[in-house]
Amino acid sequence: KQEVTQIPAALSVPEGENLVLNCSFTDSAIYNLQWFRQDPGKGLTSLLLIQSSQREQTSGRLNASLDKSSGRSTLYIAASQPGDSATYLCAVRSGGSYIPTFGRGTSLIVHP
Amino acid sequence: ETGVTQTPRHLVMGMTNKKSLKCEQHLGHNAMYWYKQSAKKPLELMFVYSLEERVENNSVPSRFSPECPNSSHLFLHLHTLQPEDSALYLCASSHALGGDNEQFFGPGTRLTVL
Repeated sequence: KQEVTQIPAALSVPEGENLVLNCSFTDSAIYNLQWFRQDPGKGLTSLLLIQSSQREQTSGRLNASLDKSSGRSTLYIAASQPGDSATYLCAVRSGGSYIPTFGRGTSLIVHP
Repeated sequence: ETGVTQTPRHLVMGMTNKKSLKCEQHLGHNAMYWYKQSAKKPLELMFVYSLEERVENNSVPSRFSPECPNSSHLFLHLHTLQPEDSALYLCASSHALGGDNEQFFGPGTRLTVL
């Protein structure tokens, strides 16, 4: 059974810092990995989707990497802004399953 | 409207009430999902529909009853709920099951059971 862990659970940083959020998974036979953002009380917004054959994906100030062999993905946020404050969720879809397994998320606060 | 919409956004109900949550997707997708998100817990998948057929029922109590009348609409009928059912209920859709299909989420319905 796939298990997804996100570290840290919470993070508070000053504006302008570069950040790394971590996601680890126990079964490396994955199909893809997706990073989401969730604002308080709201739905999930997809940020980046990495297929198992890819090593990284970039969108603006966001960069997500994937290392299947070690069961890890990182989400790098450059030059953080207060608007980046949200919970970031990692979801892994294992090979042969159409259902993703979600981590508990990292709650990020970027203060001015 | 575009994307995935959910109504109502907030719902307060007593344990003896019957209510329904509605989800509508305007993306032309063929798969739809119900998730439950409780405080401090990971998202829990409840139901999955593909081409209006239920393909997954993740051990959900019978007081939750899904309905998918067509590929654009998904309902979650609620009756005799318990206070521990209070949570954010999220609907999602994807083009199809499997493959490299991304899930797109609605804004959620915040449910409080008194």
